[in-house]
Amino acid sequence: DGGITQSPKYLFRKEGQNVTLSCEQNLNHDAMYWYRQDPGQGLRLIYYSQIVNDFQKGDIAEGYSVSREKKESFPLTVTSAQKNPTAFYLCASNFLGAGGPGEQFFGPGTRLTVL
Amino acid sequence: GENVEQHPSTLSVQEGDSAVIKCTYSDSASNYFPWYKQELGKRPQLIIDIRSNVGEKKDQRIAVTLNKTAKHFSLHITETQPEDSAVYFCAAPNSPSGGGADGLTFGKGTHLIIQP
Repeated sequence: DGGITQSPKYLFRKEGQNVTLSCEQNLNHDAMYWYRQDPGQGLRLIYYSQIVNDFQKGDIAEGYSVSREKKESFPLTVTSAQKNPTAFYLCASNFLGAGGPGEQFFGPGTRLTVL
Repeated sequence: GENVEQHPSTLSVQEGDSAVIKCTYSDSASNYFPWYKQELGKRPQLIIDIRSNVGEKKDQRIAVTLNKTAKHFSLHITETQPEDSAVYFCAAPNSPSGGGADGLTFGKGTHLIIQP
């Protein structure tokens, strides 16, 4: 299944809690990404990282944080500052080559629900 | 950043007929245009992509055409089958100078329904 795993598959959060979503890839990909998907919407970019120990904000970074301490791991923390976190979260990764980035492969997703 | 618009939001076709989904983009420097298929509750999967140095690319029943002058690209599915039913997303690089390394901007999706 593409070598990208996400956990957990389902996550329930109480208001005021921080939660962390895991994303791991064994494809030796350089870049990793987090997207959020809401019903009837396309995917929106939260954060991305092109290299270890470096990451950049995407279009909707407010209320989220990330780290990239290892090439294969890119966890996403949804903080209490994110007012509407209920969504389907997708992690993706790809190679970065001289000819441009390769295909983005997606993980299976984490469905986060706020209780 | 890039802006991608996708039409229609829902498309219903008879099995065996063709389906066409269209997307427009805003930045003329964009150079990479992938199409993803997403089944209910599953991850998006790349079905075809095109780079700006070609105008058309074909893979069996699926083709993508690109018109750089008009800044639009289209997905064509011929001889549709029930398993083609899904949501399809087009995308373009988040910032063309990044070529996609800084993520993708997606259209809002087209729900394709194949009627038996």
